[in-house]
Amino acid sequence: DIQMTQSPSSLSASVGDRVTITCRASQSISSYLNWYQQKPGKAPKLLIYAASSLQSGVPSRFSGSGSGTDFTLTISSLQPEDFATYYCQQSYSTLWTFGRGTKVEIK
Amino acid sequence: EVQLVESGGGLVQPGGSLRLSCAASGFTFSNYWMHWVRQAPGKGLVWVSRINSDGSSTSYADSVKGRLTSSRDNAKNTLYLQMNSLRAEDTAVYYCARELNGDFGLDYWGQGTLVTVSS
Repeated sequence: DIQMTQSPSSLSASVGDRVTITCRASQSISSYLNWYQQKPGKAPKLLIYAASSLQSGVPSRFSGSGSGTDFTLTISSLQPEDFATYYCQQSYSTLWTFGRGTKVEIK
Repeated sequence: EVQLVESGGGLVQPGGSLRLSCAASGFTFSNYWMHWVRQAPGKGLVWVSRINSDGSSTSYADSVKGRLTSSRDNAKNTLYLQMNSLRAEDTAVYYCARELNGDFGLDYWGQGTLVTVSS
């Protein structure tokens, strides 16, 4: 199975900060990398698909980049509603896998 | 409006069985591949299974292979997860989700249904 390693596992940031989360795949996954946001008690929400495509309705402050094994999710200016847990996920192999998540907390 | 509504969760003893359902509406269900994803209490997301649009092909995470079976009834717009030989570690919220066509992630999710495996 393809392993997805996210870092950091958690971070503290202030409103207005630029936040970057990284995700590394154990083998090349081309651009088959997706990012989700999950708030407590809620289902995940797709933010970015195919590494850099913004899902419909998602604010433009979210962006994704990367290909191969290294990927990045960036929030350009953190807003109060962005405090949540973020997961990367690969959809390259037959068996999909998620990263362990990055919890973004208020500083 | 796309909606996915899971049902069938509950308390079951180790070794027992349960069948989850996911009722879909607001889109042409038969055109989409569907997935199950689970989340143990306080833990991260774990991909469980995937089924193609006509139900002829499935894939499963190693941790559930041989015990959990995904199926669908396109006439009823419903996805199923048959869960057998359940273990304590299967305790989780189970989500069904729709695949964005082309292996591009999961664009709609249900609210989840909780399965608790305990004696």
